[in-house]
Amino acid sequence: QQQVKQSPQSLIVQKGGISIINCAYENTAIDYFPWYQQFPGKGPALLIAIRPDVSEKKEGRFTISFNKSAKQFSLHIMDSQPGDSATYFCAALSSGSRLTFGEGTQLTVNP
Amino acid sequence: GAVVSQHPSWVICKSGTSVKIECRSLDFQATTMFWYRQFPKQSLMLMATSNEGSKATYEQGVEKDKFLINHASLTLSTLTVTSAHPEDSSFYICSASGQSNQPQHFGDGTRLSIL
Repeated sequence: QQQVKQSPQSLIVQKGGISIINCAYENTAIDYFPWYQQFPGKGPALLIAIRPDVSEKKEGRFTISFNKSAKQFSLHIMDSQPGDSATYFCAALSSGSRLTFGEGTQLTVNP
Repeated sequence: GAVVSQHPSWVICKSGTSVKIECRSLDFQATTMFWYRQFPKQSLMLMATSNEGSKATYEQGVEKDKFLINHASLTLSTLTVTSAHPEDSSFYICSASGQSNQPQHFGDGTRLSIL
């Protein structure tokens, strides 16, 4: 069964800084590595996703870096803003659209 | 972008009551819908996977008679928590996928509180 390990559990960053969240996965039969952003009392919102045949994907201030050999992927948030304060989940999408989530990272961006 | 609507957003009811939660895909046909449960400050735990027109597949440890799932159309799935008890209080979230092996889109969740 697929497992996804996420770190750190919590992260505090100053406004304008770079937030980095890391994830590691086990099995290799993965179709997508999505990242979700969740605000309190809301469902997760798809932030950005990468396929395993791509090493990096950038959308605005958000970048996913993917290291296939190390079975690791990370989310970088550039120029972090207080509005980015939320819980972030990495995930692995395997066959049948089954999502396995990491444990989550609570990001706080101080003004 | 894709929108998944979940209703109600908050339910408070007495122990022993059955509660139905609806999940709708608003701008795409969802061949597969998923139901998750999330406890405070924890990750999402998959409860079951439902495909339109067929029986849901439940994860290990999830009581299928307790959590009834119906996926009668390509845009609607329902989760019924039967004879709910305080330990069933949680945040229930649905998601939908229009195409196989594409990232899922999530509803805004239902906060269920059983007194």
